[in-house]
Amino acid sequence: SQKIEQNSEALNIQEGKTATLTCNYTNYSPAYLQWYRQDPGRGPVFLLLIRENEKEKRKERLKVTFDTTLKQSLFHITASQPADSATYLCALVNQAGTALIFGKGTTLSVSS
Amino acid sequence: DTGVSQDPRHKITKRGQNVTFRCDPISEHNRLYWYRQTLGQGPEFLTYFQNEAQLEKSRLLSDRFSAERPKGSFSTLEIQRTEQGDSAMYLCASSPDDRSYGNTIYFGEGSWLTVV
Repeated sequence: SQKIEQNSEALNIQEGKTATLTCNYTNYSPAYLQWYRQDPGRGPVFLLLIRENEKEKRKERLKVTFDTTLKQSLFHITASQPADSATYLCALVNQAGTALIFGKGTTLSVSS
Repeated sequence: DTGVSQDPRHKITKRGQNVTFRCDPISEHNRLYWYRQTLGQGPEFLTYFQNEAQLEKSRLLSDRFSAERPKGSFSTLEIQRTEQGDSAMYLCASSPDDRSYGNTIYFGEGSWLTVV
């Protein structure tokens, strides 16, 4: 069955640094991968989608890469701010193409 | 506010009682999803509707769980004979029926269930 792993449960960095989060997946070759942000007690919010034929995608201070050979996506937040502190979830569509499967998430804490 | 709306936001119930959650999706979205999330875990898929048809159910959706979307608009998720293990946040999400969106889904704020 499909498996998604986000490399660490928690990541602590200082303001201004670049945060890099990792998502690995197995037993599947998805056509696209998504990243969501979740604040405590709130529902996840869509951030970025990257397709298999896109190596990299950017949105403001966010950058996502997608390496289908390594079966890995990297999510970068540059010039991080305390307001970026949240849990970031990686998601893939299931093999039926009907629903998203989520990783456990990585909780990012940015200290000032 | 035209986002996904869920009600109630919080529910405390005694073990053995039935509970029902309601979800109002974004109005033009044909697809509706229910997920469950416990502390430290990502959302786990429960079930999926395309309009009023329930097209997929996860193994997590035991016989005590039932979901409906009678007119292809709002949806309800009922849990019968609640157990303490049902304590979780129940998330509803919706999406348009357009694969070009890459199955991007839009979540509500969730309904927290505590079974005591």
